[in-house]
Amino acid sequence: QKEVEQNSGPLSVPEGAIASLNCTYSDRGSQSFFWYRQYSGKSPELIMFIYSNGDKEDGRFTAQLNKASQYVSLLIRDSQPSDSATYLCAVKASSASKIIFGSGTRLSIRP
Amino acid sequence: DGGITQSPKYLFRKEGQNVTLSCEQNLNHDAMYWYRQDPGQGLRLIYYSQIVNDFQKGDIAEGYSVSREKKESFPLTVTSAQKNPTAFYLCASSIPGVTYNEQFFGPGTRLTVL
Repeated sequence: QKEVEQNSGPLSVPEGAIASLNCTYSDRGSQSFFWYRQYSGKSPELIMFIYSNGDKEDGRFTAQLNKASQYVSLLIRDSQPSDSATYLCAVKASSASKIIFGSGTRLSIRP
Repeated sequence: DGGITQSPKYLFRKEGQNVTLSCEQNLNHDAMYWYRQDPGQGLRLIYYSQIVNDFQKGDIAEGYSVSREKKESFPLTVTSAQKNPTAFYLCASSIPGVTYNEQFFGPGTRLTVL
């Protein structure tokens, strides 16, 4: 089992709709969770982090965390073509000062 | 402006050659990291350092070496022992010990073996 798992996609969503990205993780002791956006050929940029169960909203983005189910998700409301990118889920390891990345979900917003 | 710089942006290596990738940050972060990314893949940790003169192996350290003589700098050497070094290399930094430990990334170096 991978430490951080994501559906590789591509996930195709019409412009203006809600995009839902999911991630599961194996380390039960993990406390911090991140969503990075990566455009093709560029480096990742942090868009959300969450460390409490429940929802965290920032503009059009909402991160959801369920530690009991070891599940974290990212919702993007009113999807725009500029949201087309690969989204990387990342989890801070409980036993070391390092972050484990998933392989990413490729999101495509169609006009 | 504060940030992380990596150089060069593109690097070509011949078989059997060692090359060094530069990473510099002026964010005053104690922790620095090196990742490798292959096409369609996530990031895999090569080495990380939480403090000057100390570093730890990540998941794929074989064929790589690092040094951390200054807080601002964390160069990565790709040695001839690394059999498949063609990849996108990313350097990151963070403040260790903070709960969320968010990492900031440099622009990356794309290494190609000829």
